Amino acid sequence: GQNIDQPTEMTATEGAIVQINCTYQTSGFNGLFWYQQHAGEAPTFLSYNVLDGLEEKGRFSSFLSRSKGYSYLLLKELQMKDSASYLCAPGSPDRGKLIFGQGTELSVKP
Amino acid sequence: EAGVTQFPSHSVIEKGQTVTLRCDPISGHDNLYWYRRVMGKEIKFLLHFVKESKQDESGMPNNRFLAERTGGTYSTLKVQPAELEDSGVYFCASSPDHYEQYFGPGTRLTVT
Repeated sequence: GQNIDQPTEMTATEGAIVQINCTYQTSGFNGLFWYQQHAGEAPTFLSYNVLDGLEEKGRFSSFLSRSKGYSYLLLKELQMKDSASYLCAPGSPDRGKLIFGQGTELSVKP
Repeated sequence: EAGVTQFPSHSVIEKGQTVTLRCDPISGHDNLYWYRRVMGKEIKFLLHFVKESKQDESGMPNNRFLAERTGGTYSTLKVQPAELEDSGVYFCASSPDHYEQYFGPGTRLTVT
């Protein structure tokens, strides 16, 4: 089965750095995805990790430790537009379906 | 390049009625996925097409749901008869491989 745990809500200040953690237990694994979803909109792809380590992509970075079943998404230089839900999603080895967590609702304050 | 489109954006139907949702994937994407988010819950996988074939339909809740992808292009998801617990947002996503999935804006279904 799948068990994905991430904080429900987080609040941070514009210009700051925030780290959103995700722990998972899955019956299989094919990489870990992070998606961003603004209210009422479609989820959009942010990052993908299949090997251990840090992947950096502009203001966003994602880290994976497969042995610990742990990932985090790091957002730097926060902007108001970063207020959204961030979804941790281990990929299933069954050809690509995503298993989503509940998501972390991030509020960026001025 | 046009993104994934879904129709309708909203649908309100009565319990027992039938509704058909449509998804047009990005042109050339062989992989098409349906997901659903019920109020207060996480987004859950429903099924996966590769071209016109059902690759994985392990997430389909019951036989009231029927998905098709004739010709390997657009897909439809029919709910017949609809029940109250079917209310939620239905997302479609497409992908050229098993990597990044591009999501549509979703169809908000309300069953009253």
